[in-house]
Amino acid sequence: DGGITQSPKYLFRKEGQNVTLSCEQNLNHDAMYWYRQDPGQGLRLIYYSQIVNDFQKGDIAEGYSVSREKKESFPLTVTSAQKNPTAFYLCASSRGLPNEKLFFGSGTQLSVL
Amino acid sequence: QKEVEQDPGPLSVPEGAIVSLNCTYSNSAFQYFMWYRQYSRKGPELLMYTYSSGNKEDGRFTAQVDKSSKYISLFIRDSQPSDSATYLCAMNKGGGYNKLIFGAGTRLAVHP
Repeated sequence: DGGITQSPKYLFRKEGQNVTLSCEQNLNHDAMYWYRQDPGQGLRLIYYSQIVNDFQKGDIAEGYSVSREKKESFPLTVTSAQKNPTAFYLCASSRGLPNEKLFFGSGTQLSVL
Repeated sequence: QKEVEQDPGPLSVPEGAIVSLNCTYSNSAFQYFMWYRQYSRKGPELLMYTYSSGNKEDGRFTAQVDKSSKYISLFIRDSQPSDSATYLCAMNKGGGYNKLIFGAGTRLAVHP
């Protein structure tokens, strides 16, 4: 089955700790995205990558970092600089053409201990 | 002012009702309009995708775009309890990279 796999489903972060959220896709999509979802708010773009070894900041990139070493994988690191990390994180992918539909993973809920 | 405004609800309707979900937007450059459905603690799934003004129908769902009023709607006919979810509108300007702007989502509950 083709799709996007996010892991873990739940993640807890201690003060001052960096944590990494995994996102893997087998759709052969070129573009991948990370969104943050807070209660009562729309999805906000953190980072996106249109091609391997290249990525761009979205609207709320501060306190986050990404890498895109493989087409299938786009991990997101939430660093200690992100002071309010509790949120639902969604990874998405698309073929990379303009106006393409996004396909989403099932999300990771990150909470602070 | 947010670029996309969407009433968060919740909206509660009886099974079989016609549901109307709406978004307004401020940027006249938006050309592509989408509706996503999101079940609790799951990723959004695309329901409808439309370009420019007009109606598009898919089964029990109809998406309507009125660019002159900067207003989009999603209608659900014969609503079912399985339609209970959060509905997110999304739109982009077209061209360049695929930057979607999302509404906050409307929570819908369909009760038997």
